[in-house]
Amino acid sequence: DGGITQSPKYLFRKEGQNVTLSCEQNLNHDAMYWYRQDPGQGLRLIYYSQIVNDFQKGDIAEGYSVSREKKESFPLTVTSAQKNPTAFYLCASSILVSPHEQFFGPGTRLTVL
Amino acid sequence: EDQVTQSPEALRLQEGESSSLNCSYTVSGLRGLFWYRQDPGKGPEFLFTLYSAGEEKEKERLKATLTKKESFLHITAPKPEDSATYLCAGGRRDYGQNFVFGPGTRLSVLP
Repeated sequence: DGGITQSPKYLFRKEGQNVTLSCEQNLNHDAMYWYRQDPGQGLRLIYYSQIVNDFQKGDIAEGYSVSREKKESFPLTVTSAQKNPTAFYLCASSILVSPHEQFFGPGTRLTVL
Repeated sequence: EDQVTQSPEALRLQEGESSSLNCSYTVSGLRGLFWYRQDPGKGPEFLFTLYSAGEEKEKERLKATLTKKESFLHITAPKPEDSATYLCAGGRRDYGQNFVFGPGTRLSVLP
């Protein structure tokens, strides 16, 4: 089955730690995205990537970093510089033609202890 | 500034009680209006894309319509399994920053 997987489903972080969220897709999509979702707010774009080894900042990139070494994978690192990291993180992918429907993974809920 | 708003914030319906959700947008050069369904603790599931005013799309009990300023998601004779948060997003030309999401409407359908 084609789709997007994210792991872990739940993640707990102590203050001062960096953590990495995994996102993998087998849809053969070129574009991948990371969003953050907070209660009562729309999804906000953190980073996106159109092609391997290239990525761009979204609206709220501060305190986050990404890599795109393979077409199928787009991991997100939440660094200790992110002041309020507790949120629900969603990874999505789409074909390259813009705009086009994005398909989402199941999400990772990050909680800072 | 591009913006998408949704109303109401929350809606409670009795099973079988039809209603509509509203999505208002101010997105320059809108290129598609997208609807998603999101269950608690899960990722959004794609429902519809509408590209031009007057366009309508249907899926089971859901029908989405589009005008030049708004989109509506009509729910006919809803069932409890239709309970979810419904998100809309305006699509724009700029690649990558190409979706503007609304905050969603949380729908509860009571048996």
